Amino acid sequence: GQQLNQSPQSMFIQEGEDVSMNCTSSSIFNTWLWYKQDPGEGPVLLIALYKAGELTSNGRLTAQFGITRKDSFLNISASIPSDVGIYFCAGLTGTYKYIFGTGTRLKVLA
Amino acid sequence: ETGVTQTPRHLVMGMTNKKSLKCEQHLGHNAMYWYKQSAKKPLELMFVYSLEERVENNSVPSRFSPECPNSSHLFLHLHTLQPEDSALYLCASSDRDRGSYEQYFGPGTRLTVT
Repeated sequence: GQQLNQSPQSMFIQEGEDVSMNCTSSSIFNTWLWYKQDPGEGPVLLIALYKAGELTSNGRLTAQFGITRKDSFLNISASIPSDVGIYFCAGLTGTYKYIFGTGTRLKVLA
Repeated sequence: ETGVTQTPRHLVMGMTNKKSLKCEQHLGHNAMYWYKQSAKKPLELMFVYSLEERVENNSVPSRFSPECPNSSHLFLHLHTLQPEDSALYLCASSDRDRGSYEQYFGPGTRLTVT
């Protein structure tokens, strides 16, 4: 079935560093969503992407919809301790079916 | 801040019990979803309702029974569950009519089956 490969699986970074993570698939998606999930909570929507090549920012977060429509990237600039959490990508296939990645666990060292 | 609420937040039940999870969205959306989140696995879509009609049923065992009485409320009825059903159950909503594919999640119900 369809699958999203998210990398890295986890990363430790120093406060103030920039972070990059990506999501790849063998399938084409028409929409990409990026979420952050804190322990014991539901995922919170960060950025939505609708067009191939689109670059969208939300504060220190920037995400891109890959030109092949098979991948997406998320960058976090100048990380801070509250950026800790698990980041998920999700691709929309069909009308209602979202496929989620396995997540990137981010830990920020102060 | 969330426009999607879920109750209870935590639930422990025996394999012979019957319980229900409740989800309510306050966003005026017309589609609602149930997901299962297990450790080390991606979120798994279970059910989708659009305008109170079930549009997706992702090969979920019959011991999980969804109900959508109106566009704001979604239930997941549970009976004779197995220990491997222990997971975080997440509800989400979206509104396709506004041309948005954004999906918003509730805080989840942490279910433990003993």
